[in-house]
Amino acid sequence: GEDVEQSLFLSVREGDSSVINCTYTDSSSTYLYWYKQEPGAGLQLLTYIFSNMDMKQDQRLTVLLNKKDKHLSLRIADTQTGDSAIYFCAENTDKLIFGTGTRLQVFP
Amino acid sequence: DTGVSQNPRHKITKRGQNVTFRCDPISEHNRLYWYRQTLGQGPEFLTYFQNEAQLEKSRLLSDRFSAERPKGSFSTLEIQRTEQGDSAMYLCASSLLGTDEQYFGPGTRLTVT
Repeated sequence: GEDVEQSLFLSVREGDSSVINCTYTDSSSTYLYWYKQEPGAGLQLLTYIFSNMDMKQDQRLTVLLNKKDKHLSLRIADTQTGDSAIYFCAENTDKLIFGTGTRLQVFP
Repeated sequence: DTGVSQNPRHKITKRGQNVTFRCDPISEHNRLYWYRQTLGQGPEFLTYFQNEAQLEKSRLLSDRFSAERPKGSFSTLEIQRTEQGDSAMYLCASSLLGTDEQYFGPGTRLTVT
């Protein structure tokens, strides 16, 4: 079945790197995504990776994909207080299947 | 390009009433999706359209739910005889066929009392 799992919470100090992890189950997904959701807001598409890639870098964001283990991670370099939000990974099988989200808290 | 818009942003209704939400996708996006998000959970897929055709419906979409996209532009989601369990954020997203990038609207928060 389709299932995407994430850890629920992550707390980091401002300026440190954050790593948010995700596991998925559908090996036929062509793309995997990271979305950010701030309180009371919709979802913002942060970045995505094609399933035949193992890494993608976009400014402070680095996505790593281990297709064998069905493991996806998002690294945020130099984490800022404005990065505090809930981060969702999602796999694409025409529709998006989301994880439960990881709440990132950044403290000074 | 003003992004995906949804109306209303908030809706409070009494159990048993009908409600209708509207979604305006990004212009020229031919795919439109509806998701539902409850507190502490990720969004769950409800249904999607390609142009005016409804191509897939989730098991979550009971007979009380109906979605339309009559002219292939905006879409409406109607919930009949609302129940307290329908309280959630209803999210709309759109994409251009072939791009696989879904862009979300701000959502409509429904509270059923």
